[in-house]
Amino acid sequence: KNQVEQSPQSLIILEGKNCTLQCNYTVSPFSNLRWYKQDTGRGPVSLTIMTFSENTKSNGRYTATLDADTKQSSLHITASQLSDSASYICVVSDRGSTLGRLYFGRGTQLTVWP
Amino acid sequence: EADIYQTPRYLVIGTGKKITLECSQTMGHDKMYWYQQDPGMELHLIHYSYGVNSTEKGDLSSESTVSRIRTEHFPLTLESARPSHTSQYLCASSDRTSTAGELFFGEGSRLTVL
Repeated sequence: KNQVEQSPQSLIILEGKNCTLQCNYTVSPFSNLRWYKQDTGRGPVSLTIMTFSENTKSNGRYTATLDADTKQSSLHITASQLSDSASYICVVSDRGSTLGRLYFGRGTQLTVWP
Repeated sequence: EADIYQTPRYLVIGTGKKITLECSQTMGHDKMYWYQQDPGMELHLIHYSYGVNSTEKGDLSSESTVSRIRTEHFPLTLESARPSHTSQYLCASSDRTSTAGELFFGEGSRLTVL
């Protein structure tokens, strides 16, 4: 069964600290993996998209890694800011159809305290 | 910033009412989607469209219906709302340049049925 599991479910850190969010997936075949940031009450916004051949991708203070062999990804946030408080969603796409079906994780709720 | 708009952002209605959630995008994208999201849960695809006059049901069974008469417009309708329809509805679009292109989300419509 194709699944995307994220951990931890929630995380609280102090402003300025770093943190790492995890995503494990069983989706096969694999096309790409995306990380989205969703602020409370808003729509998700894309942070990174990685294909099979990409190991690391950065977007400002956000760095995503992908290990396609172990089917794991991580999102590292450096020097956290209050505005980083949001839900971070891992999404995996397969190559099984022209639609490129998407499998969503439940997200990690990050809270950054001053 | 994505050019995809949803209205209303918030709606509270009584049981049995008919409602239409509007979604419009100005990016010329062929593919459009409706997702349903409950707190702490993953997004579930309820409808999608590849283009004008093309609509398909998604993974999650839904009593809602959609139409795609114009490329930029993808409204979702509930003929008779029930409390079980209370949820966040997210509209998204993507272009045709890849099997699973970049997804752009609207801000969401939060529906509460009393």
